[in-house]
Amino acid sequence: EAGVAQSPRYKIIEKRQSVAFWCNPISGHATLYWYQQILGQGPKLLIQFQNNGVVDDSQLPKDRFSAERLKGVDSTLKIQPAKLEDSAVYLCASSLMGGDTQYFGPGTRLTVL
Amino acid sequence: ILNVEQSPQSLHVQEGDSTNFTCSFPSSNFYALHWYRWETAKSPEALFVMTLNGDEKKKGRISATLNTKEGYSYLYIKGSQPEDSATYLCAFIENFNKFYFGSGTKLNVKP
Repeated sequence: EAGVAQSPRYKIIEKRQSVAFWCNPISGHATLYWYQQILGQGPKLLIQFQNNGVVDDSQLPKDRFSAERLKGVDSTLKIQPAKLEDSAVYLCASSLMGGDTQYFGPGTRLTVL
Repeated sequence: ILNVEQSPQSLHVQEGDSTNFTCSFPSSNFYALHWYRWETAKSPEALFVMTLNGDEKKKGRISATLNTKEGYSYLYIKGSQPEDSATYLCAFIENFNKFYFGSGTKLNVKP
């Protein structure tokens, strides 16, 4: 069974630029999560999708971050414009249903200069 | 925003030592507690899913206990090996859907 795929693995941008991350969850997993993990902290949930609907985006900075999961499969997370404090690892995870074991992708390490 | 605390933040042990760490979480609205292991340059991997008060789970040399009434879970590693070096994350799941991760315990096992 293929795991959760994410791209790119690394990204370096300057502040005020835009960036997009892509995630392909495990086939058949209805729930998809995006997390931000800043060095020394635990993963912080940014957004949770159930199929193509948003379940929780309470911690998503909506003035600069957006995410979509068209057709309930792949998902993209965008930051526009990026700030220095956005430097982090962005993890995508999926599960069969909400509350089930999560399977994580390799993450995207973003550096904002 | 819920507070899920893990202690200690980091731990250095010698190969062969046994060790344990703690995850503290709110005792209300409990649905489940997950433990994940995150090795450097890899993805976090699920270790245990715990749902019932008094649950004890074991996988090889690693085991975990759960006390939902007082809001804590312990993870134990017996006879630590260098390959156990990783960050161990716990996640509190509230009301079926919401995940809250702790900041992790970073374990370093020296040969």
